Amino acid sequence: NAGVTQTPKFQVLKTGQSMTLQCAQDMNHNSMYWYRQDPGMGLRLIYYSASEGTTDKGEVPNGYNVSRLNKREFSLRLESAAPSQTSVYFCASSGYGTGGVSGYTFGSGTRLTVV
Amino acid sequence: AQSVTQLDSHVSVSEGTPVLLRCNYSSSYSPSLFWYVQHPNKGLQLLLKYTSAATLVKGINGFEAEFKKSETSFHLTKPSAHMSDAAEYFCVVSRYTGANSKLTFGKGITLSVRP
Repeated sequence: NAGVTQTPKFQVLKTGQSMTLQCAQDMNHNSMYWYRQDPGMGLRLIYYSASEGTTDKGEVPNGYNVSRLNKREFSLRLESAAPSQTSVYFCASSGYGTGGVSGYTFGSGTRLTVV
Repeated sequence: AQSVTQLDSHVSVSEGTPVLLRCNYSSSYSPSLFWYVQHPNKGLQLLLKYTSAATLVKGINGFEAEFKKSETSFHLTKPSAHMSDAAEYFCVVSRYTGANSKLTFGKGITLSVRP
């Protein structure tokens, strides 16, 4: 099925460890995004990539890095995990056509706990 | 600049009664507007979207929303609530045009449905 695939689904890290969250989409979308979701905060944009080869900071980029590997893949890296990064992470992609913005297609999320 | 206000953080209705989830937006350009639903421990699913065509938009599962420019509102309604509608609902705004279609989320409304 077409969509956005995120891995892993669950992860527990110790403070100071590093990890990379992977995301891939097969809808030929130009734009990709990483959000984090925390209770009562809605979704907050960490980083986004408007097109292959470009990345930009969102609302809460500190402690994260991203790589737009190609048009399909957009990874999020935590270099030194902190308990404040315990959250649910969503990758999304979006297209644009004659009907305007098509909205996002979301991955199923990664539940990350940092202890 | 753009923003979304969802004044109610929690709405509770009885099964079979109407649902009204309120959303007001602010945008300095012609907006696209979306409603997403998130069931517990699940990803986000697009319910419906407005992209400058008909102001009354019909979505999945019997939901609909009306774009009212004069009131800067995009409220979500359903004539009769079902137990399966219990979830969190996000109103989202974006630019209508442009490849950089960054979306801004409201903080979400938790809908509870009483038997």
